[in-house]
Amino acid sequence: DAGVTQSPTHLIKTRGQQVTLRCSPKSGHDTVSWYQQALGQGPQFIFQYYEEEERQRGNFPDRFSGHQFPNYSSELNVNALLLGDSALYLCASSFPPGTYTEAFFGQGTRLTVV
Amino acid sequence: DQQVKQNSPSLSVQEGRISILNCDYTNSMFDYFLWYKKYPAEGPTFLISISSIKDKNEDGRFTVFLNKSAKHLSLHIVPSQPGDSAVYFCAASASQFYGGSQGNLIFGKGTKLSVKP
Repeated sequence: DAGVTQSPTHLIKTRGQQVTLRCSPKSGHDTVSWYQQALGQGPQFIFQYYEEEERQRGNFPDRFSGHQFPNYSSELNVNALLLGDSALYLCASSFPPGTYTEAFFGQGTRLTVV
Repeated sequence: DQQVKQNSPSLSVQEGRISILNCDYTNSMFDYFLWYKKYPAEGPTFLISISSIKDKNEDGRFTVFLNKSAKHLSLHIVPSQPGDSAVYFCAASASQFYGGSQGNLIFGKGTKLSVKP
């Protein structure tokens, strides 16, 4: 059973560019959440997708957007990249919110903005 | 304002001894707590969880204790092994909808555990 898979694993972008990160959830999971982990910090919640809609959003600007496809996979898009967007981006899948369920994480995408 | 706090950035323990990692939270709406382990260049791996209706949960060498009145939880690893060396994150979530949030995880900053042979 494949767990959560993310692509690409590493990415270097120039300030001002746009980036798209991809995530396939664990088999059987229909909820995908995205987190940003800066160096020395814990992961911070960006947003969550369920039934192809953004259900919740953390404290991130509109430059961060996403999408969920009918097969539950998801994309994270970041526009107008800033140096401060350099971080590890983690995708997590789970059962729907409102249940006591752990989230399973992918290995992350390391984004470097130069 | 940090809702989940891990006040010890690092912990060093001898192999075979007990490791105790601590976590405090401030939001009384949290009712589900999780511990994740993270190795460099990997995503967090789920270790163990506890809901607020319990005060203890065990899984092999790992036990999590929850003290709701103190808003404190701890992870005990007995016996500690060198392979346990990693960063441990405490996370909390609310199963009920509140303040526009439900189910997303709020993480602490992590504690780096080093287990010495």
